[in-house]
Amino acid sequence: SQQGEEDPQALSIQEGENATMNCSYKTSINNLQWYRQNSGRGLVHLILIRSNEREKHSGRLRVTLDTSKKSSSLLITASRAADTASYFCATDAGTGNQFYFGTGTSLTVIP
Amino acid sequence: EAGVAQSPRYKIIEKRQSVAFWCNPISGHATLYWYQQILGQGPKLLIQFQNNGVVDDSQLPKDRFSAERLKGVDSTLKIQPAKLEDSAVYLCASSTSANVLTFGAGSRLTVL
Repeated sequence: SQQGEEDPQALSIQEGENATMNCSYKTSINNLQWYRQNSGRGLVHLILIRSNEREKHSGRLRVTLDTSKKSSSLLITASRAADTASYFCATDAGTGNQFYFGTGTSLTVIP
Repeated sequence: EAGVAQSPRYKIIEKRQSVAFWCNPISGHATLYWYQQILGQGPKLLIQFQNNGVVDDSQLPKDRFSAERLKGVDSTLKIQPAKLEDSAVYLCASSTSANVLTFGAGSRLTVL
């Protein structure tokens, strides 16, 4: 079964604005990752945050993790049209590196 | 480095026919995954290999789906017979122990 659930399902913003999407999951995790998927393409890894970390940055990306609430958020600052894509969280909850993906957030950045 | 290669990119078949998808992971990546992504949904893990051994195939519909990675490198995913609900993109991914997945572009299957 899928581990995570993203919200909102869809988000539309103007270029230059910030985009925030959230991920909730069900069981304890080892780490949580965010991936991007452009239309018709495979997924691309963005950032990984371990269960003992609370916040991580990578360029215009900021990820937070709250293990007590079993949730994570991805913030994209100063969005660009090229950020238009679907974003998925993935959790690694087992001992064998199984990765379970959420339902995704579809982000549209309007130029 | 070369990415994860998948073929074919597109396949259209009729229900009850069979289909096979091929994946060549990144060189040196011991772990290989097959995911099924139905339109509008997130990827669903079908099977995970570590070298040529199966780690997890709990979500693989074994009555119709099979997968192998005989020499611990390339992998093949087969569906026989296909059903309408198998229409999806089949994604192959590989990883090292760093836990980051590298995906191929996917194979889009349409079952008529």
